[in-house]
Amino acid sequence: QKEVEQDPGPLSVPEGAIVSLNCTYSNSAFQYFMWYRQYSRKGPELLMYTYSSGNKEDGRFTAQVDKSSKYISLFIRDSQPSDSATYLCAMKDDRGSTLGRLYFGRGTQLTVWP
Amino acid sequence: NAGVTQTPKFRVLKTGQSMTLLCAQDMNHEYMYWYRQDPGMGLRLIHYSVGEGTTAKGEVPDGYNVSRLKKQNFLLGLESAAPSQTSVYFCASRSNRGREEDTQYFGPGTRLTVL
Repeated sequence: QKEVEQDPGPLSVPEGAIVSLNCTYSNSAFQYFMWYRQYSRKGPELLMYTYSSGNKEDGRFTAQVDKSSKYISLFIRDSQPSDSATYLCAMKDDRGSTLGRLYFGRGTQLTVWP
Repeated sequence: NAGVTQTPKFRVLKTGQSMTLLCAQDMNHEYMYWYRQDPGMGLRLIHYSVGEGTTAKGEVPDGYNVSRLKKQNFLLGLESAAPSQTSVYFCASRSNRGREEDTQYFGPGTRLTVL
């Protein structure tokens, strides 16, 4: 079993829809949770960062972490065609020995059509 | 400020050939990483470095070697390429300021095909 599970999709929604992207994980030591966005033929870029449990909002994006369920989510409100990309969840634990190693999900491919 | 750059962008090799991928960063980051990305597999860590002159194995190191002779450069070598190494390779770098929220910055990737 991979440490981080993510449904690869693809997910296709109309413009303006609310999008929900999710990951589950098995390692209870994970404390830091990230969402990266990757446009086609580009490198991933950090979209959201959350420490431990709770919600974080940034414009149209909201990240949620539920450590009791080992489940994280990214919500996109009023989705736009420019949001079409692959979204990767990533996480890391708080042990210094891992030197910031990230554990990635497989990524979910999202298409928002006009 | 170019961030993280990778050379070359594309390459086609024949089985058994060798090549070196170059990653360069101008952010004075201590940590550097090499990943490969395959369809349905996500990003997998090949090797990483915590500073000039140091390297360590990641999740899938077999068939690859790395060197970090200068702080700003991280080289990934394939001594004898195999079709299984056909992939997109990403380099990333990160600060070691001790803030856990420090993110990894990724390069644009190198698309490698081994025939």
